[in-house]
Amino acid sequence: AQRVTQPEKLLSVFKGAPVELKCNYSYSGSPELFWYVQYSRQRLQLLLRHISRESIKGFTADLNKGETSFHLKKPFAQEEDSAMYYCALRGWGATNKLIFGTGTLLAVQP
Amino acid sequence: EAGVAQSPRYKIIEKRQSVAFWCNPISGHATLYWYQQILGQGPKLLIQFQNNGVVDDSQLPKDRFSAERLKGVDSTLKIQPAKLEDSAVYLCASSLDPTGSGNTIYFGEGSWLTVV
Repeated sequence: AQRVTQPEKLLSVFKGAPVELKCNYSYSGSPELFWYVQYSRQRLQLLLRHISRESIKGFTADLNKGETSFHLKKPFAQEEDSAMYYCALRGWGATNKLIFGTGTLLAVQP
Repeated sequence: EAGVAQSPRYKIIEKRQSVAFWCNPISGHATLYWYQQILGQGPKLLIQFQNNGVVDDSQLPKDRFSAERLKGVDSTLKIQPAKLEDSAVYLCASSLDPTGSGNTIYFGEGSWLTVV
């Protein structure tokens, strides 16, 4: 079964502290992995995808196929990073639908 | 560029009533999605259209939910009759092509439904 697990509902850190949002997935094959972010009162938007291997707003995520994980990391959290973060996977096939985790609320304290 | 537009933004109805949501995708996007997001959960795909054809509606409760995308552009999602458990945010999204690797899906602001 295809599944995305985000074990933490809430992650609270202080400004300047490192951040790691956990994501584990279940998929028979090699899916595409994404992180989506939703800031307060804004729409859900793509933050980054694993195939791009890019850093967006200081965030990076590495796909670990052995551990089936795609954790999101940032070395120094900023207050403006406070938001809801969703990990998602997309398989290969006709529909290519996104399957989301339940999300983690990141709260960065001043 | 204009994003995915949805209306209404908020709707409160009584159970057993009906409701309809409208979505206008980004111009030129062939694929349109309707997601349901219940409080505390991640979005769940209800239905996916490729142009005006249905690609995936496996998780759409067809006894009460229906959706159409006439002319392959705008789409409406209808619930009739509504149940309390239908209270959720209904997200519309679109993408150029679902089969392209790394193809980005863009979301609307959502339509918040409360069934009382």
